[in-house]
Amino acid sequence: EVQLVESGGGLVKPGGSLRLSCAASGFTFSSYSMNWVRQAPGKGLEWVSSISSSSSYIYYADSVKGRFTISRDNAKNSLYLQMNSLRAEDTAVYYCASDIVGATPGDYWGQGTLVTVSS
Amino acid sequence: QSALTQPASVSGSPGQSITISCTGTSSDVGSYNLVSWYQQHPGKAPKLMIYEVSKRPSGVSNRFSGSKSGNTASLTISGLQAEDEADYYCCSYAGSSTFAFGTGTKVTVL
Repeated sequence: EVQLVESGGGLVKPGGSLRLSCAASGFTFSSYSMNWVRQAPGKGLEWVSSISSSSSYIYYADSVKGRFTISRDNAKNSLYLQMNSLRAEDTAVYYCASDIVGATPGDYWGQGTLVTVSS
Repeated sequence: QSALTQPASVSGSPGQSITISCTGTSSDVGSYNLVSWYQQHPGKAPKLMIYEVSKRPSGVSNRFSGSKSGNTASLTISGLQAEDEADYYCCSYAGSSTFAFGTGTKVTVL
């Protein structure tokens, strides 16, 4: 059974940093691309970033480019999102999602971790 | 990475069929057969219902079907059931390895 478990969310001040983690199990993590998708409170879904299986290809939404960094450690079956220069509009539930079937921002999703940016 | 346009709400009675539209542009929906649909119940993570326009992942009911014409994709739910009441989001590949989600549609079972 595919399981994705996010952690690392919390309250941070504007301009601050936070690192999210996602622990994967139940599939061959090193073979598939992974994504981060976020959802602001009461709002829709927004794709944030993607990373290929070997980390060779990395992509970001314009809204986070230059501030967020996605990475993965295939030996630890883990995905990460380093978030710097956080803004109030980054407040959201952040979901880790796998791309096993291909060409989707997520086929299996974690339960999400809430990031709140507020002074 | 502009959001795709969906109706804010769609409703139907049990047993009926409903269709949710998802309108994009020639740069996303119109250019790629890479439209996916997600179901999200309150407080829960999204669930993939349709990928590559019309394919269903294992375990998803065949009451859910997808299609596309030009810049508009559609999700049809037939034999509507109470458990189908949820938010639904479309998503399209938008080129340059990016994705665009739809604005979301709240489905109400009357």
